[in-house]
Amino acid sequence: DTAVSQTPKYLVTQMGNDKSIKCEQNLGHDTMYWYKQDSKKFLKIMFSYNNKELIINETVPNRFSPKSPDKAHLNLHINSLELGDSAVYFCASSRGYNSPLHFGNGTRLTVT
Amino acid sequence: QKEVEQNSGPLSVPEGAIASLNCTYSDRGSQSFFWYRQYSGKSPELIMFIYSNGDKEDGRFTAQLNKASQYVSLLIRDSQPSDSATYLCAPLGTGFQKLVFGTGTRLLVSP
Repeated sequence: DTAVSQTPKYLVTQMGNDKSIKCEQNLGHDTMYWYKQDSKKFLKIMFSYNNKELIINETVPNRFSPKSPDKAHLNLHINSLELGDSAVYFCASSRGYNSPLHFGNGTRLTVT
Repeated sequence: QKEVEQNSGPLSVPEGAIASLNCTYSDRGSQSFFWYRQYSGKSPELIMFIYSNGDKEDGRFTAQLNKASQYVSLLIRDSQPSDSATYLCAPLGTGFQKLVFGTGTRLLVSP
């Protein structure tokens, strides 16, 4: 049983395109996140939603737009992709305050 | 100053030795601390968490926390080659539920 699942696992696209990454969790958690891990392996938070409400929005270009249709899903849409967007994007979820994060398997995005 | 600082390594230890991984953080309000292990090409997985000053042991792993010094560490006893991975320190930031990750320490355990 996959707890946090992301699709697609790999995404190769050209500059200027628009793409989406989907995430679903079956853990019953209230909070979901998007993290970006760059080529230097630094893992940085992008967004966090709690019960479909945006609670964390780090300094991320507005080309990135998260959407949470319900508390089990958090999708990430990226417009006008740039070379610098190439990274691994991890979705995660947690039960709430002081609870650890459970990560999905990641989506490796390559922009050419 | 970085929010979370870890030595990037690699930290090389022989099989059976104790590996000591260190982390300092800048947010004095952090109350909870998590250690994640990440194998190459995989997602981070939780291995330990600690909330109180002192030591917390779980199997071969011991987490140590000193809030006054803003320091948290992870000891791995009887290191195994399968422990070779990057270890990420993650304090929980004050305010919203936000884990701030260090850049990680790469551990290499040689047979």
